[in-house]
Amino acid sequence: SQTIHQWPATLVQPVGSPLSLECTVEGTSNPNLYWYRQAAGRGLQLLFYSVGIGQISSEVPQNLSASRPQDRQFILSSKKLLLSDSGFYLCAWRAGSSYEQYFGPGTRLTVT
Amino acid sequence: GQNIDQPTEMTATEGAIVQINCTYQTSGFNGLFWYQQHAGEAPTFLSYNVLDGLEEKGRFSSFLSRSKGYSYLLLKELQMKDSASYLCVYTGGFKTIFGAGTRLFVKA
Repeated sequence: SQTIHQWPATLVQPVGSPLSLECTVEGTSNPNLYWYRQAAGRGLQLLFYSVGIGQISSEVPQNLSASRPQDRQFILSSKKLLLSDSGFYLCAWRAGSSYEQYFGPGTRLTVT
Repeated sequence: GQNIDQPTEMTATEGAIVQINCTYQTSGFNGLFWYQQHAGEAPTFLSYNVLDGLEEKGRFSSFLSRSKGYSYLLLKELQMKDSASYLCVYTGGFKTIFGAGTRLFVKA
């Protein structure tokens, strides 16, 4: 069966520090991968999606970036965090042949 | 443009039935999902409608009318554990748009 992992589960970082969140998927090949952010009490905002290795589409211009160095690995990064980057970051995957997405456990980021 | 509207909050009683409505205004429709999200947790998949009509899965049912841009999620025999946010999600092409969610409070 397929499994999606995210780490760390929680993170507290000072403003201006770098960020690296990792997401990996097991049990499937060539998944479509997504990064979302959810601010407190708000809906999910799509940040990036990827249909293959090295292929990244950005939905919202901001100080975040994403990379997909391997088929089942998706990384969200920032060189300098802002206070507004605080939120719940969710990685999701879906098989190319279906539309439903499956979410990882999420990373709760607090920028202080 | 792409817009999804659903009520912010609803309250219902344990054992009752509740209907959560969702309207959407968009183009290039592929399907309409409903997800459940408990506080502090990731969303989990509930249902998927691509054709008009009702899809039933145990205590949960979802309805879609593409011509009206309308969907609802029906929860029967409510349990306390059903207290959560319910997200209406539209897909079109590579796009997936999440509604802000409806927070459902189930009271005894």
